[in-house]
Amino acid sequence: EVQLVESGGGLIQPGGSLRLSCAASGFTVSSNYMSWVRQAPGKGLEWVSVIYSGGSTYYADSVKGRFTISRDNSKNTLYLQMNSLRAEDTAVYYCARGRGTMAYFDYWGQGTLVTVSS
Amino acid sequence: SYVLTQPPSVSVAPGKTARITCGGNNIGSKSVHWYQQKPGQAPVLVIYYDSDRPSGIPERFSGSNSGNTATLTISRVEAGDEADYYCQVWDSSSDHRGVFGGGTKLTVL
Repeated sequence: EVQLVESGGGLIQPGGSLRLSCAASGFTVSSNYMSWVRQAPGKGLEWVSVIYSGGSTYYADSVKGRFTISRDNSKNTLYLQMNSLRAEDTAVYYCARGRGTMAYFDYWGQGTLVTVSS
Repeated sequence: SYVLTQPPSVSVAPGKTARITCGGNNIGSKSVHWYQQKPGQAPVLVIYYDSDRPSGIPERFSGSNSGNTATLTISRVEAGDEADYYCQVWDSSSDHRGVFGGGTKLTVL
């Protein structure tokens, strides 16, 4: 059974850093492409980043240069390192497994809440 | 960057048909995917590649895509279908990125 479990969210001050984790089971993270998607309170879904099976990474303009997506193949875990956090980064962050050549997301984690506030 | 436009809300009576649109420039040339999200829950894929249904999704859910509009159709709407619905495409024309529509709140009257 495919499962994705996020962790690492919490309250952080503006300008701070946080690392989110997404532990996967039932499939191999490195053989798939994985994304982070976030949702600000009361708002819609916003795609954040992707890491392809080959290791290439891409980011939304809103986080480029501040966030880094990575994975640990030995732990079958996806990460999102978030630096220089801003109030507008406050959101529930979901990890999701991408499928197909025109990517859709077939499995999602339950999400972890990041609150950026002083 | 590519933009997807959805109506903020759609209302439908039980047993009727709901249609949720997703507009985008020449969206018919892209593959559109749809997600259902209920309050406090993660999104669930309901349609992929315009009209394919994942296993476990009722046949009442269907999709189409042509020209500048993609449509999610829910037949014989039930109270349990009340949720937010999001369309999504993958834009790899200039940079690889996911694009979501703003979401549509489906209310079952």
